[in-house]
Amino acid sequence: QVQLQESGPGLVKPSQTLSLTCTVSGGSISSGGYYWSWIRQHPGRGLEWIGYIYHSGSTYYNPSLKSRAIISVDTSNNQFSLKLSSVTAADTAVYYCARKDTLIVNAGFDYWGQGTLVTVSP
Amino acid sequence: EIVLTQSPGTLSLSPGERATLSCRASQSVSGRYLAWYQQKPGQAPRLLIYGASSRATGIPDRFSGSGSGTDFTLTISRLEPEDFAVYYCQQYGSSPYTFGQGTKLEIK
Repeated sequence: QVQLQESGPGLVKPSQTLSLTCTVSGGSISSGGYYWSWIRQHPGRGLEWIGYIYHSGSTYYNPSLKSRAIISVDTSNNQFSLKLSSVTAADTAVYYCARKDTLIVNAGFDYWGQGTLVTVSP
Repeated sequence: EIVLTQSPGTLSLSPGERATLSCRASQSVSGRYLAWYQQKPGQAPRLLIYGASSRATGIPDRFSGSGSGTDFTLTISRLEPEDFAVYYCQQYGSSPYTFGQGTKLEIK
């Protein structure tokens, strides 16, 4: 059974960089076949897709983040990470990591982490 | 960017009733790349439907999806107590992937 687990600081100061890691168990990132994504949910609101990375390191981002987001992968530790720079209070959200199958046509995000709340505050 | 509009915002029904949730896209969703998720308080979203009409692994057959182009529907044929939650649609046919604002299904 595949499991994803987010980790990282729950509090970040404005203008600093938010850093989160997603550890994958029950499956290997390096085997390919999946997009590994970050998605966030502002308090009491809907969902926003941030971007994804493939095991090869190829990435794609939501343009709304204006190049502040960087997603990287560490296949040796079976992890992928998110860095979001120059954060403001508007970046306060629950951050989820999730997996999307690339081999099944039309596949959705089938496995999600439990989510981690990151608050941006002085 | 494709904007997804879900309706109604809140749906009040009783267990045993049929629920019909709508998701309308601002432009055609290519390849029927449309998914539905269920989210309960304090939990991550759970994939119910992908490809507009394919049930994800382990999802009961009372959940069904339909539609194409700009109009999609999630139907729950007979509501169980555990079905009361918030439901989101998502398109992943074009970047950026986008979600609807959600429909809250509450007990009447």
